[in-house]
Amino acid sequence: GAGVSQSPRYKVAKRGQDVALRCDPISGHVSLFWYQQALGQGPEFLTYFQNEAQLDKSGLPSDRFFAERPEGSVSTLKIQRTQQEDSAVYLCASSLPRTGVRNTEAFFGQGTRLTVV
Amino acid sequence: AQSVSQHNHHVILSEAASLELGCNYSYGGTVNLFWYVQYPGQHLQLLLKYFSGDPLVKGIKGFEAEFIKSKFSFNLRKPSVQWSDTAEYFCAVPGSGATNKLIFGTGTLLAVQP
Repeated sequence: GAGVSQSPRYKVAKRGQDVALRCDPISGHVSLFWYQQALGQGPEFLTYFQNEAQLDKSGLPSDRFFAERPEGSVSTLKIQRTQQEDSAVYLCASSLPRTGVRNTEAFFGQGTRLTVV
Repeated sequence: AQSVSQHNHHVILSEAASLELGCNYSYGGTVNLFWYVQYPGQHLQLLLKYFSGDPLVKGIKGFEAEFIKSKFSFNLRKPSVQWSDTAEYFCAVPGSGATNKLIFGTGTLLAVQP
């Protein structure tokens, strides 16, 4: 597609439920990022993939958060046993270059708004 | 550690007014700076970026930003705003490590009144 696509756009989960959020990056983009944006805040980094390799997961807030990109294209962010503090917009971004190229643009999806009730 | 701060959380302007949004950064390496914009209901998109060279950077839609090293600032400006500039604006710097992850400020919500 023309841009980064995320699904679902909205997700309501009961506390304790597992959720899976999908990201379709721009075709051919090597780098893929997940960010979490709480209400009234800027996006905060969660994790980074270069192709299928998860090279940085330093931003994942707990072991309930898990991300994968098994074939180096589509990525899934999974949150187990959701808590109310997980309520946020989850953004996916992709970019073409590999690591080490700083002067680059990341293209963002519209995000998935997760509400945990 | 790298960080950015945006001092204006909510700005309200009338059309044709001039705009300046503040951004200060703390960054230990080669300075790269970004401004992203998020229009209502849309995705984050790059407005402009500074990598090196001329400290006055021109972006899309008439926006510009000036990198002032002595002040650790990268303020966003537009001489005359339009109603369609209503959006949230984020300043960002690269995070630590070799990835291109970004550290964002808390954002400034701009409302332009017609």
